[in-house]
Amino acid sequence: DTEVTQTPKHLVMGMTNKKSLKCEQHMGHRAMYWYKQKAKKPPELMFVYSYEKLSINESVPSRFSPECPNSSLLNLHLHALQPEDSALYLCASSQAGLAGGSGNEQFFGPGTRLTVL
Amino acid sequence: AQKVTQAQTEISVVEKEDVTLDCVYETRDTTYYLFWYKQPPSGELVFLIRRNSFDEQNEISGRYSWNFQKSTSSFNFTITASQVVDSAVYFCALSDVGKLIFGQGTELSVKP
Repeated sequence: DTEVTQTPKHLVMGMTNKKSLKCEQHMGHRAMYWYKQKAKKPPELMFVYSYEKLSINESVPSRFSPECPNSSLLNLHLHALQPEDSALYLCASSQAGLAGGSGNEQFFGPGTRLTVL
Repeated sequence: AQKVTQAQTEISVVEKEDVTLDCVYETRDTTYYLFWYKQPPSGELVFLIRRNSFDEQNEISGRYSWNFQKSTSSFNFTITASQVVDSAVYFCALSDVGKLIFGQGTELSVKP
């Protein structure tokens, strides 16, 4: 299995809702990432988990809450989002954890298109 | 500062034309890695190539080729005999302690 899967594919939520995005990989990768991508822009890193521990938080607002229940799963819990949070949310994984250096390519999932009303 | 510049925002070509996408990077590191990703309209970023700073050999993979020149801090990507399926946004990226520093992307449109 050489892919990263993400569910749901599309999500529409109100500003008072709580929802979660899910990401899964079965490649034995030890680092997993959440990115946010607005239209016509490059992906922006949000969080990095290395060996199931949160290693990088790029000053993301607390209405986004990541969770890594095990080495294959990554969740992003959403609560009280704003319309400007509407974007494509991409998950990625790479073989080594962050201590393994910068050389590992990241493999991306298809993303979740989130719309906040 | 770590930075990647893709000066071409949009390129439009006709099928079978060759096209080169430019990438210029800035880094303070002596060891670094460069990447190219393709993002078709479906949204998924597809990994194309990784190059480390010690390997300046050009690489060819089918219709794709990459030219890495440390002297000019460039890592350009050429598609030979372009096809409609090559239409996508292409990102060049530089690694920085596990993060990817992306360029702004080049949107390539290949018309039949």
